[in-house]
Amino acid sequence: QQQVKQSPQSLIVQKGGISIINCAYENTAFDYFPWYQQFPGKGPALLIAIRPDVSEKKEGRFTISFNKSAKQFSLHIMDSQPGDSATYFCAASMDQAGTALIFGKGTTLSVSS
Amino acid sequence: GAVVSQHPSRVICKSGTSVKIECRSLDFQATTMFWYRQFPKQSLMLMATSNEGSKATYEQGVEKDKFLINHASLTLSTLTVTSAHPEDSSFYICSASPGPPYEQYFGPGTRLTVT
Repeated sequence: QQQVKQSPQSLIVQKGGISIINCAYENTAFDYFPWYQQFPGKGPALLIAIRPDVSEKKEGRFTISFNKSAKQFSLHIMDSQPGDSATYFCAASMDQAGTALIFGKGTTLSVSS
Repeated sequence: GAVVSQHPSRVICKSGTSVKIECRSLDFQATTMFWYRQFPKQSLMLMATSNEGSKATYEQGVEKDKFLINHASLTLSTLTVTSAHPEDSSFYICSASPGPPYEQYFGPGTRLTVT
């Protein structure tokens, strides 16, 4: 019930291409879905987040698509750049104080130039 | 805004000694902070939830007597690894939320190496 399943484990995309990472959750009480970007040796940085009242959220080249009925959400990185090469984690939680995030296993993205 | 710092960024200690890691919210107050552990090429594993002015809540399998957490103020939580052993070597990361809304912001992490 608490799991967040993330795929693929790794992804190689050419510069300028679209990177797509998918996540699925089980707990219907989850109502906050963030994506984090992590570079080696650094802490995760909040990239973009969505709540169930919308089906899509876009910030620059990053878009979250959310399908509440399927309990799935995905991250799309448009015009992928070598600087986007990092590990991406999806997460889920209940949007309230004191609630920890449940993380997916992560996706290592490599953007080739 | 929403900056979380950690100190130290790296620490090397000898087996059997104790190490303290600080987590500070620099521009907001946080009633709750979270401590995570991350092994190489793996995801973040929640260790404990740190509550200001009260005892921390530990996840199953995390030894509370080994990983001491103190949240003495609304901007500072500390994690002390007591009697550290090589298997405690890991990347420790804290997070906090200025909420509402309850976005969590992570510190830069502390690399602990126990020799």
